[in-house]
Amino acid sequence: AQSVAQPEDQVNVAEGNPLTVKCTYSVSGNPYLFWYVQYPNRGLQFLLKYITGDNLVKGSYGFEAEFNKSQTSFHLKKPSALVSDSALYFCAVSGAGSYQLTFGKGTKLSVIP
Amino acid sequence: NAGVTQTPKFRILKIGQSMTLQCTQDMNHNYMYWYRQDPGMGLKLIYYSVGAGITDKGEVPNGYNVSRSTTEDFPLRLELAAPSQTSVYFCASSYSDFYEQYFGPGTRLTVT
Repeated sequence: AQSVAQPEDQVNVAEGNPLTVKCTYSVSGNPYLFWYVQYPNRGLQFLLKYITGDNLVKGSYGFEAEFNKSQTSFHLKKPSALVSDSALYFCAVSGAGSYQLTFGKGTKLSVIP
Repeated sequence: NAGVTQTPKFRILKIGQSMTLQCTQDMNHNYMYWYRQDPGMGLKLIYYSVGAGITDKGEVPNGYNVSRSTTEDFPLRLELAAPSQTSVYFCASSYSDFYEQYFGPGTRLTVT
């Protein structure tokens, strides 16, 4: 079975400071890893993914994530947070050959002006 | 392109009623999915389809049915609605299993 853990329900960060949203996963075989963002009353929007290759993945809106195989982690990062980054962030994992994407419970990011 | 569209946006059902949530995508994606989102629980996969005529159960299929007669449409049927089905339902599509999924705006369903 595959699973995702987002250990923080909420992350608060001051505008302009770096932000990190944590994600760890468990899956058989090689993982496909994704980050999505959800704004209030909206569907999820894709931010970035890791399939293979470089462990540092760059995505939309200045976000990046680092795949760490030994720690089974895929933390989302941004060097300088914006108030407009405030939203709900979901990490998701799929095992290679699995059609099912498993989502974490989400982390609410609040960027304080 | 409209992307993934869902109707209705909101619906209130009485216990025991039935309804169909509609989902259409115009990106010619083979893969389509239905999720439900409950507060603090993330998204749970209900059903998915890897092409017209092919569907399979996800993590929480009980109380739901789907069909996929065309590439574009993937309706979700609720039979005998129960309060436990109160949730926000999202449809999504993707080109393949390791491609990102595109989500619709969601349907907020209340069963009373």
